[in-house]
Amino acid sequence: DQQVKQNSPSLSVQEGRISILNCDYTNSMFDYFLWYKKYPAEGPTFLISISSIKDKNEDGRFTVFLNKSAKHLSLHIVPSQPGDSAVYFCAAPRGANNLFFGTGTRLTVIP
Amino acid sequence: EAQVTQNPRYLITVTGKKLTVTCSQNMNHEYMSWYRQDPGLGLRQIYYSMNVEVTDKGDVPEGYKVSRKEKRNFPLILESPSPNQTSLYFCASSLGLAGDGETQYFGPGTRLLVL
Repeated sequence: DQQVKQNSPSLSVQEGRISILNCDYTNSMFDYFLWYKKYPAEGPTFLISISSIKDKNEDGRFTVFLNKSAKHLSLHIVPSQPGDSAVYFCAAPRGANNLFFGTGTRLTVIP
Repeated sequence: EAQVTQNPRYLITVTGKKLTVTCSQNMNHEYMSWYRQDPGLGLRQIYYSMNVEVTDKGDVPEGYKVSRKEKRNFPLILESPSPNQTSLYFCASSLGLAGDGETQYFGPGTRLLVL
């Protein structure tokens, strides 16, 4: 049961433009969401998170927006840089020590 | 440097030949997990551990064993590997519970091919 969904497997944007990565979820009880970034041949690394009591969290070029009524969150990267090219996973806590992960979106930033 | 290490990074084996993938963290984290990543399925948890000698099943534990005899190490054991265990495996550790939104630190991954 895919409770966290990333419907776009890939996204290409020009350097300097905005990248918007989307994530939908089905369980309204999720109280925390996280984004992880993964480069080839490396493990995922934590990028940014958002609590369900907020609708926005910003960290430098990265901003996550949460729309609880739509059960949707998005990660905005502005401006996009070639080094941002990676696979991005959204995730939500599950049980004591587990996460629901989305299937990932591969971002390519074109110089 | 704070890190999670896994060995080996790449492994090709044959059906039924027991293997162990090691995982070690140097951050004194209580919590450790094993995940597998498969195309179109994201990351799925295999087993997790909340402390030494405390382990529990994740979403896809069949065919795997784990042990946590020391806080820093959490090996993944495949007693009799099968081709459907061909996957990319990640070990992760965290200071607190992932369920509380605590950041997990992932190892670099082990790519396993079972023939």
